[in-house]
Amino acid sequence: AQRVTQPEKLLSVFKGAPVELKCNYSYSGSPELFWYVQYSRQRLQLLLRHISRESIKGFTADLNKGETSFHLKKPFAQEEDSAMYYCALSKSGGAQKLVFGQGTRLTINP
Amino acid sequence: ETGVTQSPTHLIKTRGQQVTLRCSSQSGHNTVSWYQQALGQGPQFIFQYYREEENGRGNFPPRFSGLQFPNYSSELNVNALELDDSALYLCASSLAASGGVFTDTQYFGPGTRLTVL
Repeated sequence: AQRVTQPEKLLSVFKGAPVELKCNYSYSGSPELFWYVQYSRQRLQLLLRHISRESIKGFTADLNKGETSFHLKKPFAQEEDSAMYYCALSKSGGAQKLVFGQGTRLTINP
Repeated sequence: ETGVTQSPTHLIKTRGQQVTLRCSSQSGHNTVSWYQQALGQGPQFIFQYYREEENGRGNFPPRFSGLQFPNYSSELNVNALELDDSALYLCASSLAASGGVFTDTQYFGPGTRLTVL
């Protein structure tokens, strides 16, 4: 069965501290992994996808197939990073039928 | 370039009624996906439409149905509403390459908040 697990519903860190949002998945095959973000009063938007191997707004995520994880990291948190973060997967080569985790609400304290 | 739009913003219905939600895809996109997001949960895939046909469906009963029009806009219809249908309904559009290759990012609309009493 396809499943995405985000173990932390809430995460609070201080500005300037490192951030790591955890994501684990189960999937038979090679999935494509995504992080979506929803800022206050804005729509859900793509933050990054593993095949792009980009750093967006200072965030990176590495796909670890051995641990079936796709954790999102940022070395120095900023107040504007406060948002709801969702990890999602789809079958490889197809960005359809996204399977989302429950989400982690990240709060950056000044 | 216009983004994904959805209407209405909010809707209140009673159990047993039927509802139609609408979505206009982003300019240039030909694929629409619908998701249900219950309170405190992540979005859950309902179905996807490509070239006016259903192209993949999640674990939702047949009373959830949809349409896609030639201009790529879409409707989500839910019959015999139940209390558990209360949720935020999200529409997402993307561009499938010729031959139905779905690799593009999905762009989400603001959602329609449905409350079933």
